[in-house]
Amino acid sequence: SAVISQKPSRDICQRGTSLTIQCQVDSQVTMMFWYRQQPGQSLTLIATANQGSEATYESGFVIDKFPISRPNLTFSTLTVSNMSPEDSSIYLCSVERAGRDIQYFGAGTRLSVL
Amino acid sequence: SQQGEEDPQALSIQEGENATMNCSYKTSINNLQWYRQNSGRGLVHLILIRSNEREKHSGRLRVTLDTSKKSSSLLITASRAADTASYFCATDGQGGSEKLVFGKGTKLTVNP
Repeated sequence: SAVISQKPSRDICQRGTSLTIQCQVDSQVTMMFWYRQQPGQSLTLIATANQGSEATYESGFVIDKFPISRPNLTFSTLTVSNMSPEDSSIYLCSVERAGRDIQYFGAGTRLSVL
Repeated sequence: SQQGEEDPQALSIQEGENATMNCSYKTSINNLQWYRQNSGRGLVHLILIRSNEREKHSGRLRVTLDTSKKSSSLLITASRAADTASYFCATDGQGGSEKLVFGKGTKLTVNP
């Protein structure tokens, strides 16, 4: 398994500002992912965070809006930029060890944009 | 899209009863997983079943997989109030992709 610390757990932000979410894992992992879960909905993959290179974004998500960093094998950040009320969601990071198929999730960041 | 579709969307039962949730998907898979989410928190992995398996058990959980029908079911036996949560199935694709595609989820309420 993996222990994942995700911060902040929640935030209320003003329209037009940006928020950076941090994800820290207790051990080195190969794969790290960022998801968005809109109210009452399922999870949608935003991007795969690649260590030492640019993240791989899914259709509908762009780097300018959701810049991601992954400086090492235990840490990643997701920034939600120029926020609007439509960005109000839960944002989750997850990790997966190579060849294990199972993903372990952080507790999520509940974001409200006013 | 190979997104899974769970049904029912919501299920309310009494403690001690069994709860069955179903998941359908659209494309070939390597494996199918079930996750639980308590009240908007992070997801917890419950069980993984591979495409060459038909049934798997873990404690009070029983998962079946029918690849010909592209469907899976999750059975929770002797449910408890603590089982109240949303349950999601997730599929990956053949070809070695690590990406998971999550279904819409079933919200289970177990009444004491």
